[in-house]
Amino acid sequence: DGGITQSPKYLFRKEGQNVTLSCEQNLNHDAMYWYRQDPGQGLRLIYYSQIVNDFQKGDIAEGYSVSREKKESFPLTVTSAQKNPTAFYLCASRGPSGEQYFGPGTRLTVT
Amino acid sequence: ILNVEQSPQSLHVQEGDSTNFTCSFPSSNFYALHWYRWETAKSPEALFVMTLNGDEKKKGRISATLNTKEGYSYLYIKGSQPEDSATYLCAFASGTYKYIFGTGTRLKVLA
Repeated sequence: DGGITQSPKYLFRKEGQNVTLSCEQNLNHDAMYWYRQDPGQGLRLIYYSQIVNDFQKGDIAEGYSVSREKKESFPLTVTSAQKNPTAFYLCASRGPSGEQYFGPGTRLTVT
Repeated sequence: ILNVEQSPQSLHVQEGDSTNFTCSFPSSNFYALHWYRWETAKSPEALFVMTLNGDEKKKGRISATLNTKEGYSYLYIKGSQPEDSATYLCAFASGTYKYIFGTGTRLKVLA
C-alpha cells in the first residue's frame, strides 16, 4: 500500500531535549511538507522540500530543522529553541495535481 | 498576510439534510484551491483540487464551486449521512508548492 507513515503516534519529551519526528513515503513524490496543528488554528507550514537535498522554511520554521537526504524520507527535528513544541504534527507529500497526501500525524507533548 | 477563512466553524445537521459551507481566500495571486475531508483518527484526505474560476467539481453527494474573482468556494453535501461527519478543510495555493489552510468546518451529522 502506498502512503505516508509517521512514527511514533505519540511522543513525550522533557523540556530542553531535541526530538526527531519520522516521516516516510513510498508514493515517489518529489515534494514533502511538515505542518503543525494547534487547537483552533489551521494547519501551519513549518518546512517543505521540493526535491532531495533542498528545503525551504515555511511560516513557523523557528526552532525546527529538517533534512532531505532521500526522496522517501523527510524527518523533522524539534529543537529546544522551539518555545511551544507541544502540538500535533502532520507530514505530507505533494501529488501530481498538487493535492496533499497526509500521514497519520504525531502528537508531541513536552513537559 | 494571506488569510483563509472558513465558515461556519461547526455545524450539526440531521441525517438527510443538505448543507453547505464556505471558504474565503485572497482574490489575488490565485493558483489553486483544495478541499480536504478529515475524519477523526484518520489522515486528511483530498476531495477536490480547483483551479479555474467557475469550476464545479462533484464526488458522489459532495460538490464544490469556485469563484476566484470574489475569493470564495462553496462545498455542498446533499442528503448528509452520519459517515459525512468530519472536519472539512480548504487550502489556498498562490503558487505551486505553498498552501494556506483554513481552520476547517466541523460537521456532525445526527442519525
